[in-house]
Amino acid sequence: TQLLEQSPQFLSIQEGENLTVYCNSSSVFSSLQWYRQEPGEGPVLLVTVVTGGEVKKLKRLTFQFGDARKDSSLHITAAQPGDTGLYLCAGPPETYQGGKLIFGQGTELSVKP
Amino acid sequence: GAVVSQHPSWVICKSGTSVKIECRSLDFQATTMFWYRQFPKQSLMLMATSNEGSKATYEQGVEKDKFLINHASLTLSTLTVTSAHPEDSSFYICSASQQTVYGYTFGSGTRLTVV
Repeated sequence: TQLLEQSPQFLSIQEGENLTVYCNSSSVFSSLQWYRQEPGEGPVLLVTVVTGGEVKKLKRLTFQFGDARKDSSLHITAAQPGDTGLYLCAGPPETYQGGKLIFGQGTELSVKP
Repeated sequence: GAVVSQHPSWVICKSGTSVKIECRSLDFQATTMFWYRQFPKQSLMLMATSNEGSKATYEQGVEKDKFLINHASLTLSTLTVTSAHPEDSSFYICSASQQTVYGYTFGSGTRLTVV
């Protein structure tokens, strides 16, 4: 059972466009993390949201955690080719022990110049 | 910031041989480390949780006798793929965290190719 549904799984856009990636679950998460991964590398943490309703901004990236802590979104404004990569949401469900992370399916983003 | 070092970055081995992958936390102690497997264009799949000084906890469907995990110190966990076969070819990644609620640091991954 996939606890974190991430969408879309593939996204190809032109430079300058905006986009939003969604991560949804029926379970409550202690926190939600967003990672970016480039080919042949490990994921790199972008942000962690902890509080329901929390919004965090990282330059052109805006991250939001749902009020009920069951969903999150990543919005990129004016995408650039350097934003290309695999974006992953992940988090530890409240019911999990030992710090295990559940990952979404990932969103493969391609930004064309 | 927290740094996790993983070696080797890539390895090619013959069928039937064993390969060891190391994961080190360089500037913090990690009582728990995690090992993942990733197929091309797909997300990470958790294989096992490595606990310092005790046996690893494997996810359902992961063969513990094929994927041996040792976490002998607070800064080192190893994954040994025993009697490797071509279907074991994959990208293996480890992770650790100083404070799990705030996120994890991942190693750079190991590309294993079994020929």
